[in-house]
Amino acid sequence: DGGITQSPKYLFRKEGQNVTLSCEQNLNHDAMYWYRQDPGQGLRLIYYSQIVNDFQKGDIAEGYSVSREKKESFPLTVTSAQKNPTAFYLCASSISGGRNEQFFGPGTRLTVL
Amino acid sequence: GQSLEQPSEVTAVEGAIVQINCTYQTSGFYGLSWYQQHDGGAPTFLSYNGLDGLEETGRFSSFLSRSDSYGYLLLQELQMKDSASYFCAVRDREKGANNLFFGTGTRLTVIP
Repeated sequence: DGGITQSPKYLFRKEGQNVTLSCEQNLNHDAMYWYRQDPGQGLRLIYYSQIVNDFQKGDIAEGYSVSREKKESFPLTVTSAQKNPTAFYLCASSISGGRNEQFFGPGTRLTVL
Repeated sequence: GQSLEQPSEVTAVEGAIVQINCTYQTSGFYGLSWYQQHDGGAPTFLSYNGLDGLEETGRFSSFLSRSDSYGYLLLQELQMKDSASYFCAVRDREKGANNLFFGTGTRLTVIP
C-alpha cells in the first residue's frame, strides 16, 4: 500500500536538544511539506520541497532545518533555536501542479520537557 | 498576505445538513481546498474548487465564488463520525502555486 509514514508518533526532548523527525513516502510524489499544528489552530507551513535536493522556507522556518536527499524522504530537525517547539508536526506530500491534493502522515507529537 | 476566516465551532444534529463557510483574502488566488481532521489524526483531503460553482462528492459538496472570495463546505445526512475539524485552504501565487495556506479550522460537533 502506498502512503506516507512519520516516526516516532510521540517524542519527548529536553530543552537545548536537537531532534529529528522522520517522514517517508512511497507515493512517488515530487513535493513534500512540513507543517506545525498547535492546539485549536490551523496548519502552518515550516518547509517545503518541490524536488529532490531543493527546499524552501515556509512561514515559520526559524529554528528548523530540513534535507531532501532522496525523493522518498524529507526529515525535519527541530533545533535548540526553536523557542517553543512543543506541537504536533505533520508531514505531507503531493504531485506537483493540479489541485495539489496533499496526503498527510499520522503526525509526530513533540513535547519539550 | 493571506487571510482566511471560518467559524470556530458548529453544532448540528445527526441526519441534518450543515454548511461551513470560508472567506479569504489573497493576492493571486488559484483555488480553495477542504480538509477533514479527526482529533489526533491526520488531515484528509475532501474537495477542491478551482472554478466557480459546486463540486459534489457523495454527502459532501463544496462551493466557490471567486468574485465574492467565498466558499463553503456542505455536509448532508450528517453522521456521528462527521464530528471533526474542517479546514479550508487556499492555493495562491504568493505562497507558490503548489502550497496551501490553511484557515484555523471549524470544529463540527454532531449530536444525536
